[in-house]
Amino acid sequence: IAGITQAPTSQILAAGRRMTLRCTQDMRHNAMYWYRQDLGLGLRLIHYSNTAGTTGKGEVPDGYSVSRANTDDFPLTLASAVPSQTSVYFCASSAGILNEQFFGPGTRLTVL
Amino acid sequence: RKEVEQDPGPFNVPEGATVAFNCTYSNSASQSFFWYRQDCRKEPKLLMSVYSSGNEDGRFTAQLNRASQYISLLIRDSKLSDSATYLCVVNIPEVRWKTSYDKVIFGPGTSLSVIP
Repeated sequence: IAGITQAPTSQILAAGRRMTLRCTQDMRHNAMYWYRQDLGLGLRLIHYSNTAGTTGKGEVPDGYSVSRANTDDFPLTLASAVPSQTSVYFCASSAGILNEQFFGPGTRLTVL
Repeated sequence: RKEVEQDPGPFNVPEGATVAFNCTYSNSASQSFFWYRQDCRKEPKLLMSVYSSGNEDGRFTAQLNRASQYISLLIRDSKLSDSATYLCVVNIPEVRWKTSYDKVIFGPGTSLSVIP
């Protein structure tokens, strides 16, 4: 692994289903983030983690949960997907909260 | 007022032109500023940090105006490969339970198309 990876690349999901988006980084960065990007709205922060074991809510946290059991992984879970959660999801990491963020390639999620 | 605002564009400019983007921010206590570039259907990538005294990287110049609370990005001698969306990023200090936090906010982006 080099950098930050996300899985799956894309997914079509039925409404009401549970889904976990995976994010892994090998840069030993303390901070990690989940964003969603929708046309005309830019990147919006869902949840973040300043360090392993801690998480915080971003701008649009409702319907999503995260965990940070270790430094490398930061999964995002949709407990019961709804069509409004159709979006492109980007995971990112940074050495610290004010440092450059490195982004994963994104997950395109469609909820029908 | 939104915390970070940008002119969405699109800016359509001919090759070789000079183009400038502005980004305004609402919190005067903000300390960290960046410009990111995002190509269509790709992830954002850091273009350059913005320093208080202004900084230059080849054809790109970034400026910070604290008094007016905006940052700018100037691209000289535009290339076709400069076509992308440019996102400004600003840190927003917050205080919660008497503890200071920083959150990083991405602007909505400005779309640039460089035309042959």
